[in-house]
Amino acid sequence: DGGITQSPKYLFRKEGQNVTLSCEQNLNHDAMYWYRQDPGQGLRLIYYSQIVNDFQKGDIAEGYSVSREKKESFPLTVTSAQKNPTAFYLCASSPRDRARATNEKLFFGSGTQLSVL
Amino acid sequence: DQQVKQNSPSLSVQEGRISILNCDYTNSMFDYFLWYKKYPAEGPTFLISISSIKDKNEDGRFTVFLNKSAKHLSLHIVPSQPGDSAVYFCAASAGLYTNAGKSTFGDGTTLTVKP
Repeated sequence: DGGITQSPKYLFRKEGQNVTLSCEQNLNHDAMYWYRQDPGQGLRLIYYSQIVNDFQKGDIAEGYSVSREKKESFPLTVTSAQKNPTAFYLCASSPRDRARATNEKLFFGSGTQLSVL
Repeated sequence: DQQVKQNSPSLSVQEGRISILNCDYTNSMFDYFLWYKKYPAEGPTFLISISSIKDKNEDGRFTVFLNKSAKHLSLHIVPSQPGDSAVYFCAASAGLYTNAGKSTFGDGTTLTVKP
């Protein structure tokens, strides 16, 4: 089955620690995204990548880093500089296509809940 | 300044009746709108979308209406079913090909459909 796999489902971070959230997709999508969701709020864009070896900051990139060495993978590192990391993190992908309806539709993973110890 | 607003945090309807979820936006550059459905501890799934060149798009029980002059869209679910109980997110996107997928999301509306 094609889809997006996020791991782990739950993650705990200690003070001053960096943690990495995994995101893998086998949909052959060019674009990948990381969103953060806080309770009762919508999704906010952290980073996105439209092609391998290239990525751009979203609206709330401070304290996060990403890499895109392979088309299938887009890991997110939550660094110690992120002072409020507790949230639900969602990875998504979309194809790059001239059809707007195809391009805009995001496919999401099942998320990682990050909590601070 | 929140550019996409869903002013009703929750909505409760009876099974078989119509559910109407509302969304307002402020950025006049938004020209493509999507609705996603989300169950607890899962990622959102795409439901329906509409381009600004249309004012209505229908897919089965789901219809989205767009009023550009009022910067307002709504999602109608008819008839509502208990399995529709979820959080519904409105999302908006602006312009160019390079911006595709960078949607701005509302805070969501929790729909409860009672049997």
